[in-house]
Amino acid sequence: SQTIHQWPATLVQPVGSPLSLECTVEGTSNPNLYWYRQAAGRGLQLLFYSVGIGQISSEVPQNLSASRPQDRQFILSSKKLLLSDSGFYLCAWSRAGTGAGNTIYFGEGSWLTVV
Amino acid sequence: AQSVTQLDSHVSVSEGTPVLLRCNYSSSYSPSLFWYVQHPNKGLQLLLKYTSAATLVKGINGFEAEFKKSETSFHLTKPSAHMSDAAEYFCVVSEANYGQNFVFGPGTRLSVLP
Repeated sequence: SQTIHQWPATLVQPVGSPLSLECTVEGTSNPNLYWYRQAAGRGLQLLFYSVGIGQISSEVPQNLSASRPQDRQFILSSKKLLLSDSGFYLCAWSRAGTGAGNTIYFGEGSWLTVV
Repeated sequence: AQSVTQLDSHVSVSEGTPVLLRCNYSSSYSPSLFWYVQHPNKGLQLLLKYTSAATLVKGINGFEAEFKKSETSFHLTKPSAHMSDAAEYFCVVSEANYGQNFVFGPGTRLSVLP
């Protein structure tokens, strides 16, 4: 079966510090990978998605970047955090391709508080 | 283009009474539709999905949803609410031609009163 791991679960970072959130998927090959952000009490905002190694699509211009150095590894980064970067970050995956019923599965999330 | 509307931002029910969470969608192609549940500080968990088979879909924890193409709706129901059902619920649409494009509704917060 497939599993998705995301870490760290919680972090508190000062403004201007760097960020690295990591996500790995096990039990599948060449997954589509996603980073979402969820501000407190609000819906999901797609930040990045990737269909393969080194292939990153950005949905929203911002202070963040994503990388996919390996097939099942997805990293969210920032060089200098802003207060507005605070939120709940979710990594997700779906099978490669565009078949009907392709389902998206989520990690447990990472709470980021920028102080 | 796809879109999802969840008509209620907050629904409150008493324990043991029925739950109805409403979802309407817009899609140019044959859609896949999903319901996810999110408990506080947790990731999203798949409740059920519709993929052009039976229009009445049964999911986990006693939830079910009915796909009604004529009404472009995919409402989530449960006959009897439990305290543990209190959470945020998201309706999601995806089109077969765009496998990596999942469009999320804004969510409905379900409160269950004792």
